[in-house]
Amino acid sequence: GAGVSQSPSNKVTEKGKDVELRCDPISGHTALYWYRQRLGQGLEFLIYFQGNSAPDKSGLPSDRFSAERTGESVSTLTIQRTQQEDSAVYLCASSTPRSGVTWEQFFGPGTRLTVL
Amino acid sequence: AQSVTQLGSHVSVSEGALVLLRCNYSSSVPPYLFWYVQYPNQGLQLLLKYTSAATLVKGINGFEAEFKKSETSFHLTKPSAHMSDAAEYFCAVSLSNTGNQFYFGTGTSLTVIP
Repeated sequence: GAGVSQSPSNKVTEKGKDVELRCDPISGHTALYWYRQRLGQGLEFLIYFQGNSAPDKSGLPSDRFSAERTGESVSTLTIQRTQQEDSAVYLCASSTPRSGVTWEQFFGPGTRLTVL
Repeated sequence: AQSVTQLGSHVSVSEGALVLLRCNYSSSVPPYLFWYVQYPNQGLQLLLKYTSAATLVKGINGFEAEFKKSETSFHLTKPSAHMSDAAEYFCAVSLSNTGNQFYFGTGTSLTVIP
């Protein structure tokens, strides 16, 4: 079946503009995660959705960042009034429990955001 | 608190040499442990995972890792490096009492010298 897809693959925007990044998880995966990966750095957790539960937003760096997910389908990460420090690759992952034990994350290819 | 530490942000080995990438974790509950690989311009993919079964875990592409509780380590090894192994490697932990939140290390960039 299809993997996790993200769009756009690349986004160049001007400082101060809003951007929307989209993630299509693997069908049937109940959990969805957003991460940020700055150049040469590790993955920074942003937000986590699990089914119909309230999302874990503890990783969002500021109130300019928000994300939505409709049910167990598509998620959109929105960054308002973008700053140059927002330039990074934004990764989405989805998962579901296997044998009720462990949650393997499947990653999308990422969206590379460049803020000029 | 839980965290993952990868010692050495950059590792270089000669082709054919042993690959050793280090990962230590801290966790208040039994962890699940993972290694992910990110090839240039690609997304992350799972190399292997430890889920409280065998402590020596074999993954794809000849990699393996050993869970050592006494050392709180989960180091990744491969007996003989290949040029195609050049990539970024991430260690991650999730907690057995939730299982669904991951904490990633900062990554180790592996260079293979011909």
